Amino acid sequence: DTGVSQNPRHKITKRGQNVTFRCDPISEHNRLYWYRQTLGQGPEFLTYFQNEAQLEKSRLLSDRFSAERPKGSFSTLEIQRTEQGDSAMYLCASSLGTVNKAFFGQGTRLTVV
Amino acid sequence: TQLLEQSPQFLSIQEGENLTVYCNSSSVFSSLQWYRQEPGEGPVLLVTVVTGGEVKKLKRLTFQFGDARKDSSLHITAAQPGDTGLYLCAGAEGAQKLVFGQGTRLTINP
Repeated sequence: DTGVSQNPRHKITKRGQNVTFRCDPISEHNRLYWYRQTLGQGPEFLTYFQNEAQLEKSRLLSDRFSAERPKGSFSTLEIQRTEQGDSAMYLCASSLGTVNKAFFGQGTRLTVV
Repeated sequence: TQLLEQSPQFLSIQEGENLTVYCNSSSVFSSLQWYRQEPGEGPVLLVTVVTGGEVKKLKRLTFQFGDARKDSSLHITAAQPGDTGLYLCAGAEGAQKLVFGQGTRLTINP
């Protein structure tokens, strides 16, 4: 088991373009989380899946953001019509049952120019 | 949303010194986690504390959860350059999300 894997590691995109990130959780983990981290801050919760069901979304997740976990395994996070304020590190985490043993991936660094 | 405040935000000390980092809240958490993050990488889980007053040790790192489960501390003994990084505390809010502090950026100078 290689841990939580995120792709791509880095993404530079022009304002207005759509981007999609992928997260592969630890294989037996049923819970998957997305967080966003801006420079100098701690990660902020975006959304959470239990298996394929998206159970909670933060108000930070505007209508330009959508996340899926179609088969309860990998997840994708899509940002439509990117804005410069979307520039951040997008982190994925997974856990088995309880959030207090969540393991994070390496993150995807998004830069919107 | 519950808030976690970490102090200090920045700490730079010499190799061999001891240090303590604090994580405080006005809210009670069911558990509290400490993570360490390197530049350009995701946070790595160091420890989870669950019981009020709990103390856990990880080599030269000692973690304590306050009796009231509102605060925590991380103490490092004889700091080494390899301890340099961003230390984040996170509290479990409900069963499904973590609330993070803003982090303490620690630099250990050789």
